[in-house]
This record gives sequence, C-alpha cells and structure tokens, in this order.
Amino acid sequence: EVQLVESGGGLVQPGGSLRLSCAASGFTFRSYNMNWVRQAPGKGLEWLSYIGSSTRTIHYSDSVKGRFTISRDNVQNTLFLQMNSLRAEDTAIYYCARDSITGSECFDSWGQGTLVTVSS
Amino acid sequence: QSALTQPASVSGSPGQSITISCTGTSSDVGGFKYVSWYQQQPGKAPKLIIHAVTDRPSGVSNRFSGSKSGNTASLTISGLRAEDEADYYCCSYSSRSTLYVFGSGTKVTVL
Repeated sequence: EVQLVESGGGLVQPGGSLRLSCAASGFTFRSYNMNWVRQAPGKGLEWLSYIGSSTRTIHYSDSVKGRFTISRDNVQNTLFLQMNSLRAEDTAIYYCARDSITGSECFDSWGQGTLVTVSS
Repeated sequence: QSALTQPASVSGSPGQSITISCTGTSSDVGGFKYVSWYQQQPGKAPKLIIHAVTDRPSGVSNRFSGSKSGNTASLTISGLRAEDEADYYCCSYSSRSTLYVFGSGTKVTVL
C-alpha cells in the first residue's frame, strides 16, 4: 500500500523557516516524480513544487519561487520542502503528492498533510 | 496563474444526478489530453476519483463519471448519496508558469 507521511509542520513567526518531510513507503520511491501541494484554511488546492525522480528537473509556482526549495533522498525514501522567508499567507496544510507515472492524472496518491501556521 | 473555474456549490436530492463543470483555457484543460478529479471530505486529504478524463481508479463508485469538450471538463455524480457530500476539485497540466493547475473547488451538498 502506498503511504506518504508528512511531518515538520508547526507554528513559525513571519520571516522564519521550516523544513517539511514526507516519508514514502509501499512503492519504489526513486522511480516517481513528487510534488508539494498546499491548502490554506477554507481555500482550494494550490500546486507548489515538483521534483523529478532523479532530481534533475525541478519546478516551482511563482508564489514560492526563490523562498522554497524542494529536494529528495532516494535512499531514505523521503521528500523535503525547505521553506524560508515565511509569510502569513503561507499558512496552510501542506501535502506531498505522488506524480502520475502514466500521465493520466495530476497526482495519484496524497499524504495526510501537515499544518504550517505563520503568525507572530 | 488563476485556478480553473468551477461553480462554488452544487446541490441535489438523494438519487438525483449533478454535474460539476471545470473551465480552463487552451493552455491547460483544452491543451492537454487528460483532466483528473479529486474528492475531498472534511479534514481529509484529496482522493483521486477520475483520471484520464473518464476513467475511475479501482474502488471508486461507477456513479462518478467524467467527460471533456474543448476547454471544459465535467464531473457527473449520478444516484446522489449523502456520502457524496464533499469538496470536488479538477486538475490539469498547464503550459504556463505553473506545472499543474487546480479548479477553484465545488462544494456538493445533498439536500
């Protein structure tokens, strides 16, 4: 069974940093492209970042480019999101999501999410 | 990039059918072969219910069906049940600055 378990969320002050992790199991992690998606309280889903299976290809949304860094460890089967210069509008549940290997859907599996609250 | 356009809410009585639209542009929905749909129950992560525009993953009820025409994709829920109350999001690839774009989300209420 595919499992994605996020961790690392919490309360952080504006301008601060946080590093999220997503532990993957139940599939061959190194073969899949991965993503981060977030959802602000009461709002819709927003794609943030993509990393290719071999890390050669990385994409960011304009809203986080230059502040967030995606990375992965294919030995530890873990996806990361380093978040710097955090703002109040970054408050959200952050999900890791597995990219479709067939291309027929955006994401085929999601973690349960981790809450990040940016507030003084 | 702006989200794909979905109605904010759709409601129906048990047993009825409802359709949720997802309108984009030639840079996303209209320009790519596939659209997917996700169901999100309160407090839960999104769950894939339609992929490749019309296909259902194993375990998803055949009451859910999808279609696409031009820049608009649609999700139809037939035989509406109380358990279908949730938020629904479409998702497409995008050729613009964002790799993927979601719909604005539709809250389905079973009357």
